[in-house]
Amino acid sequence: EAGVAQSPRYKIIEKRQSVAFWCNPISGHATLYWYQQILGQGPKLLIQFQNNGVVDDSQLPKDRFSAERLKGVDSTLKIQPAKLEDSAVYLCASSQERGNTDTQYFGPGTRLTVL
Amino acid sequence: LAKTTQPISMDSYEGQEVNITCSHNNIATNDYITWYQQFPSQGPRFIIQGYKTKVTNEVASLFIPADRKSSTLSLPRVSLSDTAVYYCLVASISGAGSYQLTFGKGTKLSVIP
Repeated sequence: EAGVAQSPRYKIIEKRQSVAFWCNPISGHATLYWYQQILGQGPKLLIQFQNNGVVDDSQLPKDRFSAERLKGVDSTLKIQPAKLEDSAVYLCASSQERGNTDTQYFGPGTRLTVL
Repeated sequence: LAKTTQPISMDSYEGQEVNITCSHNNIATNDYITWYQQFPSQGPRFIIQGYKTKVTNEVASLFIPADRKSSTLSLPRVSLSDTAVYYCLVASISGAGSYQLTFGKGTKLSVIP
């Protein structure tokens, strides 16, 4: 079974530029998550999708971050414009359902450096 | 959201059993306790999950006392490859009504040869 795919693996941009990350979840997984992991901390949930609908985006900085999951499969996360504090690893995860016992499978992440 | 507390770091020699304890005093009746492992430059990986008493799989055991306010992850005979960060998590219902995993800083386990 193929895992969660993410691209690019690394990205370096200057502040105020835009950047986009792509995620392809495990086939058949209805729920998709985007996390932000700052160095030395645990992942922080940004947004959660169920199929192509947003379940929870309460922790997404909506003034600069946006995400979509067209057709309920792939997803993109965009930052526009980027700030220095956005430097982090952006992790995508997927799960079959969205219950409290469901296992989340994580991708390798995209490491973003904002200069 | 349920909050968890665990040691920031632990050291162990190869071949020893490692026990990492996590406290989750405000765990709700329907909450499950889950542990994830994360290696550098990788996403977290599910290790084990339990509700109460003891759960064992091929890589770890999870001990949960009757009051469920804490849990202990047990790794038997650790090797250098077990050096990683271990997260104790409780999936709780957020304000938006969805189940969320809230990650803390985790426990950085260093296995020494």
